[in-house]
Amino acid sequence: DGGITQSPKYLFRKEGQNVTLSCEQNLNHDAMYWYRQDPGQGLRLIYYSQIVNDFQKGDIAEGYSVSREKKESFPLTVTSAQKNPTAFYLCASSIGTGVYNEQFFGPGTRLTVL
Amino acid sequence: GQQVMQIPQYQHVQEGEDFTTYCNSSTTLSNIQWYKQRPGGHPVFLIQLVKSGEVKKQKRLTFQFGEAKKNSSLHITATQTTDVGTYFCAGSGIKGSGYALNFGKGTSLLVTP
Repeated sequence: DGGITQSPKYLFRKEGQNVTLSCEQNLNHDAMYWYRQDPGQGLRLIYYSQIVNDFQKGDIAEGYSVSREKKESFPLTVTSAQKNPTAFYLCASSIGTGVYNEQFFGPGTRLTVL
Repeated sequence: GQQVMQIPQYQHVQEGEDFTTYCNSSTTLSNIQWYKQRPGGHPVFLIQLVKSGEVKKQKRLTFQFGEAKKNSSLHITATQTTDVGTYFCAGSGIKGSGYALNFGKGTSLLVTP
């Protein structure tokens, strides 16, 4: 059963703590993406990776970090430097690195920082 | 920041009425994609438009790409309650976007029976 998994679905953290969100795909896709979704704001790109060991900042990368050590995994760390971390985080992947490829989204992780 | 504008932000219709959402860019797009996100769910790809003036249909949904490749629309004929959700357009080819799509803020559609 191919797809993208994100865990956990809901995550609670105290202010000042770093937290890592997982994203795994078994679609053999080269490109992976992290988006943040806030009410009324649509999807905003945090980071994307076109290939293993390489990634680029998106529009709102400040306060976030990523790694791409394996093709199937693209974890996102929300650091204490992120001023408003409470949001819905979506991971996506696409078969190729170009923008003509459709993106497949995971179920998302809803992060709440208390 | 995002350079793809989408209107309206919300739309509430009676079942059976038509619905249209519009996507506009100040610069020429190389392509545009449309996604649907059901309440509590994640975005799902609907379609991609690449050619100037392109029109594609999926049952009751009609997608158009403008002649200048700066705007697009999604029209739903005779809405059903299953159409409820948020519809996003996403464009590329905008200066500085690299290999990433820029998503609009979406149009949330509510259909009442």
